[in-house]
Amino acid sequence: AQKVTQAQTEISVVEKEDVTLDCVYETRDTTYYLFWYKQPPSGELVFLIRRNSFDEQNEISGRYSWNFQKSTSSFNFTITASQVVDSAVYFCALSEAGIKAAGNKLTFGGGTRVLVKP
Amino acid sequence: NAGVTQTPKFRILKIGQSMTLQCTQDMNHNYMYWYRQDPGMGLKLIYYSVGAGITDKGEVPNGYNVSRSTTEDFPLRLELAAPSQTSVYFCASRAEGQGRTYFGPGTRLTVT
Repeated sequence: AQKVTQAQTEISVVEKEDVTLDCVYETRDTTYYLFWYKQPPSGELVFLIRRNSFDEQNEISGRYSWNFQKSTSSFNFTITASQVVDSAVYFCALSEAGIKAAGNKLTFGGGTRVLVKP
Repeated sequence: NAGVTQTPKFRILKIGQSMTLQCTQDMNHNYMYWYRQDPGMGLKLIYYSVGAGITDKGEVPNGYNVSRSTTEDFPLRLELAAPSQTSVYFCASRAEGQGRTYFGPGTRLTVT
């Protein structure tokens, strides 16, 4: 069975500080996808990134960066120079991608609420 | 493309009432899903479908039913609403073989 753990329930920072969100996952599948979604106060889910289990390269997109470490089953997310607009709940999710993974269903972590104060 | 659309956006039900949450996608995706999000929690899978005529239970299926008569539509039925079903419901879809899942805007349901 799949499991995603986001140990930090809430993080509060002052604007321009960096913030790192932890994500640890468990899966028996050798082929899988990892995701991060943002849920702003308006409630919709905003896709941020998808990472294939075969690609361990770190990725940077503007102020966002992701660190994927297969050895520790972690997929951490860092926001550099945080802004008030980054205030949201962030979810890490896992989807098995192998042939036997019926439906490629997403398993979500519990989410981390980020509050960026001006 | 409208993507994944859900109706209604908000609904208040009384205990014991029934209702159907509608979900439609226009991306010709084979896979569709229903998730619920309880306050302060992550999303949990209720039901999913890998194609028209095929549905299967997720993690929390009790109290719900689904059908998939077309590729586009995946309605979720609540037969006897209970306060424990107060939640935000998200419909989602994904193309087979593709990695990304697309979510609808959600339906906020309150059962009193």
